Amino acid sequence: GAVVSQHPSRVICKSGTSVKIECRSLDFQATTMFWYRQFPKQSLMLMATSNEGSKATYEQGVEKDKFLINHASLTLSTLTVTSAHPEDSSFYICSAGIDYHTEAFFGQGTRLTVV
Amino acid sequence: AQTVTQSQPEMSVQEAETVTLSCTYDTSESNYYLFWYKQPPSRQMILVIRQEAYKQQNATENRFSVNFQKAAKSFSLKISDSQLGDTAMYFCAFMTENNNNDMRFGAGTRLTVKP
Repeated sequence: GAVVSQHPSRVICKSGTSVKIECRSLDFQATTMFWYRQFPKQSLMLMATSNEGSKATYEQGVEKDKFLINHASLTLSTLTVTSAHPEDSSFYICSAGIDYHTEAFFGQGTRLTVV
Repeated sequence: AQTVTQSQPEMSVQEAETVTLSCTYDTSESNYYLFWYKQPPSRQMILVIRQEAYKQQNATENRFSVNFQKAAKSFSLKISDSQLGDTAMYFCAFMTENNNNDMRFGAGTRLTVKP
């Protein structure tokens, strides 16, 4: 099956700093990737759709200046949490599909802790 | 907008027994895809089973099968011969035909298989 690699798996950063999370499709090209946020014992909430070569589409309520998404190539999307605060601490997961009508393949997730 | 509802926050089953997890959804679309994903303690999202709405036959994957009732907008997951490794969060997910792998998830059901 297709593989999506997410890095880092865990990161701790100080309040006020920025942290970048990478999502790579290892054996396929993904024109679209998705970023989700998951609070403890809760479901995955879509944050934004990352589009290769164009601006990301953000879900309502998600601050685009706080969560910067860049999709510079067909195999890499990055999520940068800017000026992180403790309330940004969460589990972030990316996903991508090979084409329409197939399952989405998920990265391993990144546990972000802001101290 | 599409919504996915899982009304069972937690369930438990004895090893080797059968358990059914419920999922209902709401959509005005006629063509769509439904999924069950498993999220073990590692937090990696793992596809369990997939159903295309235009197929009347219920999908099966080894010990996992679904009861898809399109008119009732119901999509339950049956796990037969439950194993300890089935212990995980289970998410029901919905994707429209033209939604480019953008999935919407239910709140999840935490399943515990007891020895």
